[in-house]
Amino acid sequence: DTGVSQDPRHKITKRGQNVTFRCDPISEHNRLYWYRQTLGQGPEFLTYFQNEAQLEKSRLLSDRFSAERPKGSFSTLEIQRTEQGDSAMYLCASREETGARTGELFFGEGSRLTVL
Amino acid sequence: LAKTTQPISMDSYEGQEVNITCSHNNIATNDYITWYQQFPSQGPRFIIQGYKTKVTNEVASLFIPADRKSSTLSLPRVSLSDTAVYYCLVGEDSSASKIIFGSGTRLSIRP
Repeated sequence: DTGVSQDPRHKITKRGQNVTFRCDPISEHNRLYWYRQTLGQGPEFLTYFQNEAQLEKSRLLSDRFSAERPKGSFSTLEIQRTEQGDSAMYLCASREETGARTGELFFGEGSRLTVL
Repeated sequence: LAKTTQPISMDSYEGQEVNITCSHNNIATNDYITWYQQFPSQGPRFIIQGYKTKVTNEVASLFIPADRKSSTLSLPRVSLSDTAVYYCLVGEDSSASKIIFGSGTRLSIRP
């Protein structure tokens, strides 16, 4: 297993365009998380899935953002009608549901979005 | 979720021991304390996790006093490659569904 992979690593788009990011988690991990990170800030929680169910969404996630995890495997994060304020690193992470203790989060390398 | 407070930045020199303290006054009984490290243009990486007293692994030690209202990440004999941002997180698995990161501590190591 090569860990969490994200694609593309870099995306430059014009304002108003739609973009989609893909995340392939570690295969046995049933929890998948999306975060957004801007320069100098910590990762901001966007949403998370347990298997294919999207269980929580941040208020940061406007109507222009949508995430899916069909079949509980890979996930996609789509941003419609991008704005310059969407420019950020989008991080995906996965972990096992370990019951009583907090499981380690495994992050991908991120997808950097630049909106011109 | 318990809020955490860490220093914004710290500086040290190669070969020194670095201790980063995190305050979490409202930690709950079932909460664990977890530390992550992040290098520029990479996702955070798990360093260590503990519940009480002391935990040590090949990378770091984590000291947690009896009241658990704070914790200290200890990095022995740091090198330039330890320059990174370090995040302290507090949460318990079943309720910490949305794992929240703070702003972290930016550690700079000088030769």
